[in-house]
Amino acid sequence: QELLQESGPGLVKPSETLSLSCNVSGSSISSRSHYWGWVRQPPEKALEWIGTINYSGNIHTNPSLESRVTITADTSKNQFSLKLSSVTAADTAVYYCARHRVDWDLLRGGPFDHLGQGTHITVSS
Amino acid sequence: DIQMTQSPSTLSASVGDRVTITCRASQRINSWLAWYQQKPGKAPKLLIYKASILESGVSSRFSGSGSGTEFTLTISGLQPDDFATYYCQQYNTLYTFGQGTKLEIK
Repeated sequence: QELLQESGPGLVKPSETLSLSCNVSGSSISSRSHYWGWVRQPPEKALEWIGTINYSGNIHTNPSLESRVTITADTSKNQFSLKLSSVTAADTAVYYCARHRVDWDLLRGGPFDHLGQGTHITVSS
Repeated sequence: DIQMTQSPSTLSASVGDRVTITCRASQRINSWLAWYQQKPGKAPKLLIYKASILESGVSSRFSGSGSGTEFTLTISGLQPDDFATYYCQQYNTLYTFGQGTKLEIK
């Protein structure tokens, strides 16, 4: 049974760096069958893709967030992480970690087939 | 960037109805499109991928069609559990979600 579990601070001050981790069980983040990503959802708004990392450590990020996003993976812990720098109130959201299924016709990450339960992050002083 | 536009934003329907949600891409995305269902306070759930392939375990009352720039999600015989928000997502070039369609009980 695949399980993704986010962990984070809950509250972050403006201008600081948000750090989140995703613990993965039931799947290996080293597997070539999956990529691993982050999605967020501000209150009452739509889903927004943040970025994705694959088994080779290749990273793709949302161009609108690229300058502030760092995604890393720790295969020894089967975890991957997100850092978002210089946060503002606009970064207040539920943050989900997610697993992409690799589409073998596309030869890269496809849809999100599993997401964590999400963690609420509020940016406020 | 590829933009995804869903219509309508809100849809009112009754149990037993058949409803259709449309998603348009700002450029061609072949069939690299997924549909998700999200209930309040919950993570999105994958329903359909590659425009028309039903995810394992998802009711056959859900169906998807389209290719290129125009796609539809159809739900037949609406059940009380189907009232939720639905999102399309392209994965042709990076990943972009639509703005969502809230399906409400009439």
